[in-house]
Amino acid sequence: ETGVTQTPRHLVMGMTNKKSLKCEQHLGHNAMYWYKQSAKKPLELMFVYNFKEQTENNSVPSRFSPECPNSSHLFLHLHTLQPEDSALYLCASSQDRGDPDTQYFGPGTRLTVL
Amino acid sequence: GQNIDQPTEMTATEGAIVQINCTYQTSGFNGLFWYQQHAGEAPTFLSYNVLDGLEEKGRFSSFLSRSKGYSYLLLKELQMKDSASYLCAVIDSNYQLIWGAGTKLIIKP
Repeated sequence: ETGVTQTPRHLVMGMTNKKSLKCEQHLGHNAMYWYKQSAKKPLELMFVYNFKEQTENNSVPSRFSPECPNSSHLFLHLHTLQPEDSALYLCASSQDRGDPDTQYFGPGTRLTVL
Repeated sequence: GQNIDQPTEMTATEGAIVQINCTYQTSGFNGLFWYQQHAGEAPTFLSYNVLDGLEEKGRFSSFLSRSKGYSYLLLKELQMKDSASYLCAVIDSNYQLIWGAGTKLIIKP
């Protein structure tokens, strides 16, 4: 059983749509992450939040906008996406950022952009 | 640049042993993780190595050689449920987690 949940599990959207992905962690962790996982490619770190503050943005296009209202919740707002943005989007959390902490992952949102 | 290399796919037989290798070139080293990911599911933590040697945990063992930039995951007494992707990830000197593309392991009866 995972302590990190994500909704929705599947999302199909057009390029002009606006949607949001939600992540919630029930582990009492302080750091949360968004990753993009494409087939046969390494996980790509998108954003990192530590104690609700964004600490990393790995050159992610502005059509992806993260939001972290508190240490337990993380959102990824999507708008005017491109077909190449279709991927599995994974949320993860860890106790803190900056230590070799184990990251715990949610099940992901499978995003398809038409 | 930083790089993690793993075989793309491996096939093994139920009940057998399989070794999944991972080689890395990173700026510094603060540990290496192995994760298991079943299709359509979350990656789940398997092991963490920071010192050289073998760490055993039930049917799974993980080995690290820092001087060689090399690790392997050893799976014994393979079961059908072990069919999954296995992800290798290294923590560099900036505590960034560098991920491999994963090895898809197919178990045949």
